[in-house]
Amino acid sequence: DIHLTQSPSFLSASVGDRVTITCRASQGISSSLAWYQQKPGKAPKLLIYAASTLQSGVPSRFSGSGSGTEFTLTLSSLQPEDFATYYCQQLNTYPWTFGQGTKVEIK
Amino acid sequence: EVQLVESGGGLVQPGRSLRLSCTTSGFTLGDYAMNWVRQAPGKGLEWVGIIRSKAYSGTTEYAASVKGRFTISRDDSKSIAYLLMSSLKTEDTAVYYCTRASDPEYYYYAMDVWGQGTTVTVSS
Repeated sequence: DIHLTQSPSFLSASVGDRVTITCRASQGISSSLAWYQQKPGKAPKLLIYAASTLQSGVPSRFSGSGSGTEFTLTLSSLQPEDFATYYCQQLNTYPWTFGQGTKVEIK
Repeated sequence: EVQLVESGGGLVQPGRSLRLSCTTSGFTLGDYAMNWVRQAPGKGLEWVGIIRSKAYSGTTEYAASVKGRFTISRDDSKSIAYLLMSSLKTEDTAVYYCTRASDPEYYYYAMDVWGQGTTVTVSS
């Protein structure tokens, strides 16, 4: 199975901060990576697919980049509603797998 | 409005079976692959499996942890996808989400619509 490692696992930041989350794959997955946001008690929400394509309706402060084994999710200016847990997912090889999550909390 | 509504969760004893349903609306289920994803209490997300649309043979793929015990199926005429879980173990305790592939053709891009989830507790 392809293992995804997110870093950091926990992040404390302030409103307005620029935040970057990294997702590393144990083997190359081309650009077959998606990012999701999950708030407590809610279903995840798709943010980015194909590594860098913004899902319709998602604010432009979210962006994704990378290919192969290293990917990043960047929030250009953290907003109060962005405090949540973020997951990457590879869809290159079955079984599809998720990273362990990055929890973004208010400093 | 595109919606997915899961049902069928509950408390079940180890070794027993349970069938979850995912009732869809606002789109043509037959055009899309559908997935199941689960989340154990306080843990991260785990992809369970996928059923492709009939255009892609309606075939399935599963995570190793459920292969041989879980079966995903679909009834496009009723707009419902199913997850049949057999030989349940305590470690199958989780919230189960059904999700829609983000594109009918490129079903491997992402999962763009999620249900609210249904809770399955496996305990004696």
